[in-house]
Amino acid sequence: AQKITQTQPGMFVQEKEAVTLDCTYDTSDPSYGLFWYKQPSSGEMIFLIYQGSYDQQNATEGRYSLNFQKARKSANLVISASQLGDSAMYFCAMRELTGGFKTIFGAGTRLFVKA
Amino acid sequence: GAVVSQHPSWVICKSGTSVKIECRSLDFQATTMFWYRQFPKQSLMLMATSNEGSKATYEQGVEKDKFLINHASLTLSTLTVTSAHPEDSSFYICSAPGLPGYTFGSGTRLTVV
Repeated sequence: AQKITQTQPGMFVQEKEAVTLDCTYDTSDPSYGLFWYKQPSSGEMIFLIYQGSYDQQNATEGRYSLNFQKARKSANLVISASQLGDSAMYFCAMRELTGGFKTIFGAGTRLFVKA
Repeated sequence: GAVVSQHPSWVICKSGTSVKIECRSLDFQATTMFWYRQFPKQSLMLMATSNEGSKATYEQGVEKDKFLINHASLTLSTLTVTSAHPEDSSFYICSAPGLPGYTFGSGTRLTVV
């Protein structure tokens, strides 16, 4: 069964510094996708970045990069140059491509950016 | 980009009444819609998957008769919470598959009093 683990309930980072949010996963499916979403206090889910299991390079989207270590089954999110607006809940998620697009989410990490 | 419009954003209802939540795909056709439930400070839990023209698939432990899901057209999926009780109070959010990430509705905060 697929599983997503986020072990950091909360993280603090100083504005303009980089922060890494941890995510490990478990799946027996060789084809899967990994996602990170941001959820501000308003509740909306904002897609940040995607990594496919067969992608050779780590995904990057602006200030977001995904540190994909397949052998270790980890998909950590790195946010560079943190901004106050980055304060939110962050969820790691996984979709097994043979699972009909069903996606499961980790428990989430709340990020606090300090001025 | 793809947009999923979810209504209402919040609703307060009396115990025993039913509440309908709508999710519409505005500029694309969503043959599949996922419905999630989120308790405060917790993660999203998948409740069910609706498919246009067929019965919804419910996750284990989700009461089909309590949470009625209908996918009447390629642009509309609805979740009806029947005979709501205070324990049904939660944040409900829908999402449609996209490439690569899902497109989420803005969520509905349901409070049953």
